[in-house]
Amino acid sequence: GAGVSQTPSNKVTEKGKYVELRCDPISGHTALYWYRQSLGQGPEFLIYFQGTGAADDSGLPNDRFFAVRPEGSVSTLKIQRTERGDSAVYLCASSLGGTDEAFFGQGTRLTVV
Amino acid sequence: GDSVTQMEGPVTLSEEAFLTINCTYTATGYPSLFWYVQYPGEGLQLLLKATKADDKGSNKGFEATYRKETTSFHLEKGSVQVSDSAVYFCALRDAGGTSYGKLTFGQGTILTVHP
Repeated sequence: GAGVSQTPSNKVTEKGKYVELRCDPISGHTALYWYRQSLGQGPEFLIYFQGTGAADDSGLPNDRFFAVRPEGSVSTLKIQRTERGDSAVYLCASSLGGTDEAFFGQGTRLTVV
Repeated sequence: GDSVTQMEGPVTLSEEAFLTINCTYTATGYPSLFWYVQYPGEGLQLLLKATKADDKGSNKGFEATYRKETTSFHLEKGSVQVSDSAVYFCALRDAGGTSYGKLTFGQGTILTVHP
């Protein structure tokens, strides 16, 4: 597709459940970022991939959060044992290289009930 | 660590009014500065950027000047339109010691423009 695609657009899950959020970056973009945006706040960095490897995962809040990008394209953000505080919009962005303009997807709104 | 502070919102203006949204930053290196916009139902889009001191970024009638002495990057537009109603985010990318595009965002300012 022409832009960054995130699926699902909305996800409601019960506390304690496992969820996966998917990001399809723009074709050819080697850099991929995940951000989390809580209500009324700006996006907060979670993790950065360059190719297949996580070059910086310093923003992941705890070990319940994990992300992969096995073939250097699609990425999946995985959250185990979800908590109500995980409710937020999860944004994915991609760029050609590390310092090029980042293009954002529309996000996945995660609600933990 | 790096941080960005935006003026409190929401901001409500009449069409053709002058807009200023204040943004100040703290960074350890020599950051690039950005304004992103999020229109209703859409993803974040880059509005404008400036990569060094005294640079002026501009797009769609919006302008912002990188002021190193005041660590500011205020967004301005001379005459807003209803279609400018959106959430605006100031952000920085600190190039000092890093080699990638991690962004630090402000909290966002909601702008509503009435006809």
